[in-house]
Amino acid sequence: EDKVVQSPLSLVVHEGDTVTLNCSYEVTNFRSLLWYKQEKKAPTFLFMLTSSGIEKKSGRLSSILDKKELFSILNITATQTGDSAIYLCVVLGAPGTYKYIFGTGTRLKVLA
Amino acid sequence: DAGVTQSPTHLIKTRGQQVTLRCSPKSGHDTVSWYQQALGQGPQFIFQYYEEEERQRGNFPDRFSGHQFPNYSSELNVNALLLGDSALYLCASSFNRGITEAFFGQGTRLTVV
Repeated sequence: EDKVVQSPLSLVVHEGDTVTLNCSYEVTNFRSLLWYKQEKKAPTFLFMLTSSGIEKKSGRLSSILDKKELFSILNITATQTGDSAIYLCVVLGAPGTYKYIFGTGTRLKVLA
Repeated sequence: DAGVTQSPTHLIKTRGQQVTLRCSPKSGHDTVSWYQQALGQGPQFIFQYYEEEERQRGNFPDRFSGHQFPNYSSELNVNALLLGDSALYLCASSFNRGITEAFFGQGTRLTVV
């Protein structure tokens, strides 16, 4: 059965810290991995990764995918209180399957 | 651009009742998916609609049904509500070309008492 596992489940840091969120997956015929940020209700899109070793970057956030080892990491540098949210890792599987497979998420809390 | 809009935002229903949730996709999107997110869990795929037909379904009973209209908007219907149906229901829209990210609505918080 397809599976996405995120770690840690929760994390508390102070402003200015750097955090690394992990996502491992077991999915038949992987097509892409996505990261979303969920603050209150609506998950908002951060990154889509389809190729190994190519880092995607947006401001203080970056992510990379390793298709050989079946994992991805999301890095956040110089954290701010506004980064407090649940970060969801999502995998899209084989062509002909359309469902997103979500991990449980990592709940990040950044203290001032 | 209004993005993905869902209604209502909150709903309280009694066990055994039926409920209908609504979703309008982001402008230009033609595909709508529905997800159920229980507290402390990641969203679980219910089904996806494209060209007014259910294209794929997750592991949900037949009590969960849906519909897509010609304007691409969609409804999720749940019959014979159970306490365990209490959750946040998220609608996601996307464009059916290649691999593109989905955009999510704010969700409907359903509480079954």
